[in-house]
Amino acid sequence: AQSVTQLGSHVSVSEGALVLLRCNYSSSVPPYLFWYVQYPNQGLQLLLKYTTGATLVKGINGFEAEFKKSETSFHLTKPSAHMSDAAEYFCAVSGRGAAGNKLTFGGGTRVLVKP
Amino acid sequence: NAGVMQNPRHLVRRRGQEARLRCSPMKGHSHVYWYRQLPEEGLKFMVYLQKENIIDESGMPKERFSAEFPKEGPSILRIQQVVRGDSAAYFCASSPSGQAPEYGQYFGPGTRLTVT
Repeated sequence: AQSVTQLGSHVSVSEGALVLLRCNYSSSVPPYLFWYVQYPNQGLQLLLKYTTGATLVKGINGFEAEFKKSETSFHLTKPSAHMSDAAEYFCAVSGRGAAGNKLTFGGGTRVLVKP
Repeated sequence: NAGVMQNPRHLVRRRGQEARLRCSPMKGHSHVYWYRQLPEEGLKFMVYLQKENIIDESGMPKERFSAEFPKEGPSILRIQQVVRGDSAAYFCASSPSGQAPEYGQYFGPGTRLTVT
């Protein structure tokens, strides 16, 4: 069974400050890891994903995440927050092969950006 | 290239009525997934379908819920005899092949179901 924990259901950052969203996962097999963003009343947009290879993954809108197997973490960062980053962010995990066809999501972190 | 289409975007049903939610995957995608987002909760997997086949329905409630993905036409999530607890946002996602993790899943805008 897989699970995802996102620390902090709400995060408030100032415009221009570092954005750090924490995600820890539990998986019995090497996981695939994802970050999605959801703007109000919209669907989820894929920000970035880790499948294999380089553990530092760069995504859209200046976001990146680092897979740390020893810490079972996949934290999302952005050096400088922009007002348009205000949204809810979901970390997700899937297995591989046949078990990869189901995403398990964390509870989400809502980001507020202060001017 | 159109994304995943879902309709209706908003659906209001009275208790006991049926709700039908439609999902058209991205062009070239033959795998469809349904997720439910209950108020103040994260997204939960419901069902995974390929054309004319249900592959994994481990997240579907045992009663009143069903899903199909016919050879022609959109995927349908059907909820019979809706209750207030069914009020949620229902999201459909698609991927191009069974190797979904390699490509990620692409989500539609969702259908927000309100049961009165």
